[in-house]
Amino acid sequence: GAVVSQHPSWVICKSGTSVKIECRSLDFQATTMFWYRQFPKQSLMLMATSNEGSKATYEQGVEKDKFLINHASLTLSTLTVTSAHPEDSSFYICSPRTGNTEAFFGQGTRLTVV
Amino acid sequence: QQQVKQSPQSLIVQKGGIPIINCAYENTAFDYFPWYQQFPGKGPALLIAIRPDVSEKKEGRFTISFNKSAKQFSLHIMDSQPGDSATYFCAASLMNRDDKIIFGKGTRLHILP
Repeated sequence: GAVVSQHPSWVICKSGTSVKIECRSLDFQATTMFWYRQFPKQSLMLMATSNEGSKATYEQGVEKDKFLINHASLTLSTLTVTSAHPEDSSFYICSPRTGNTEAFFGQGTRLTVV
Repeated sequence: QQQVKQSPQSLIVQKGGIPIINCAYENTAFDYFPWYQQFPGKGPALLIAIRPDVSEKKEGRFTISFNKSAKQFSLHIMDSQPGDSATYFCAASLMNRDDKIIFGKGTRLHILP
């Protein structure tokens, strides 16, 4: 399967600070990037979809000013959680896709806001 | 509206048994039905997937059965092992549109040694 590299795997930050999560597709070019959030013992919930070079499309209820997504290249997308609060603590997972292919997922980032 | 309904929520099976996880979908336009396996603290990993033009697909000990008319599909794990203990998600998508994956709520499977 395709190689997806997501960093960091876990991060702890203080309330009010910002955290950046990187997602790289190492052996294919991702025209589309999906970002998911997963709370404990729950399913993956789509947060936003971004296409390379375009603004991200956010799902209902997801604050675009809080979760900044950049998809500047076909191999790299970033999710920045701005002014993080404890309720933002979650498991964040990226999923790059290209064309008519199966979906691959990053290893996830465990964010804890204290 | 939940587009992909998954059951059961949790499942305990003796080693060697055949756990079965069921899913139902709403959107008849979906053309890609993957199953993902997720271990704690890890991202989901693709286990097996099926397109609606076939009724069954087998890969190793994992089999998907697909019923297009009923809009249902299921995962069977043959000769289950303790190492299969994980959370399993069924999903659906519009593959040709490079569309998002819609996940079921997940099944926490525990295989007893």
